[in-house]
Amino acid sequence: DSGVTQTPKHLITATGQRVTLRCSPRSGDLSVYWYQQSLDQGLQFLIQYYNGEERAKGNILERFSAQQFPDLHSELNLSSLELGDSALYFCASSVESGFSYGYTFGSGTRLTVV
Amino acid sequence: TQLLEQSPQFLSIQEGENLTVYCNSSSVFSSLQWYRQEPGEGPVLLVTVVTGGEVKKLKRLTFQFGDARKDSSLHITAAQPGDTGLYLCAGARFRDGSGNTGKLIFGQGTTLQVKP
Repeated sequence: DSGVTQTPKHLITATGQRVTLRCSPRSGDLSVYWYQQSLDQGLQFLIQYYNGEERAKGNILERFSAQQFPDLHSELNLSSLELGDSALYFCASSVESGFSYGYTFGSGTRLTVV
Repeated sequence: TQLLEQSPQFLSIQEGENLTVYCNSSSVFSSLQWYRQEPGEGPVLLVTVVTGGEVKKLKRLTFQFGDARKDSSLHITAAQPGDTGLYLCAGARFRDGSGNTGKLIFGQGTTLQVKP
């Protein structure tokens, strides 16, 4: 157990639907990062939050949004889902926001869009 | 644009052999990390290197950061079946030269299979 909790572990949904992925960071970590992993693209950075505020944005689609709550858990919302959104979605956390000494990853949510 | 190129992409070797995985970029990184990922799990941090030329050892694994902080290598001595997995390098970049967000850029990974 890495200390980063992601739910659900698996999600199967239809095109056009909306889903919410949840992440609880490791105790004491203030920064949360969301990554998408697919076979052809590898791990792609989506977005980072630090202590409730958005800190950096990557290749996140407009159909996707995220937020970090006062208790530091984070949610990634994916809407108008397309087949190509099928992927593993990982959340990672770290203590700091600036210089990176490394992330702790969760086990991921496998999203399948049918 | 893939900023970090890993090679080889796939490697299948016999137990006891040595191997080296490379991670190259034209960009300078403030730190570089190596992760190992097993099927169905998230990547697990193996090491972070920060200083150009730095060498770190973790049992049979040796990690090196290039002098110019643009590349890194992972060398495994006497590989074992338990070393099988996806190895990922990841770099953190400075933002405007004054500090970064902690965002990591990942390479595509090297899939290693060690056969008994």
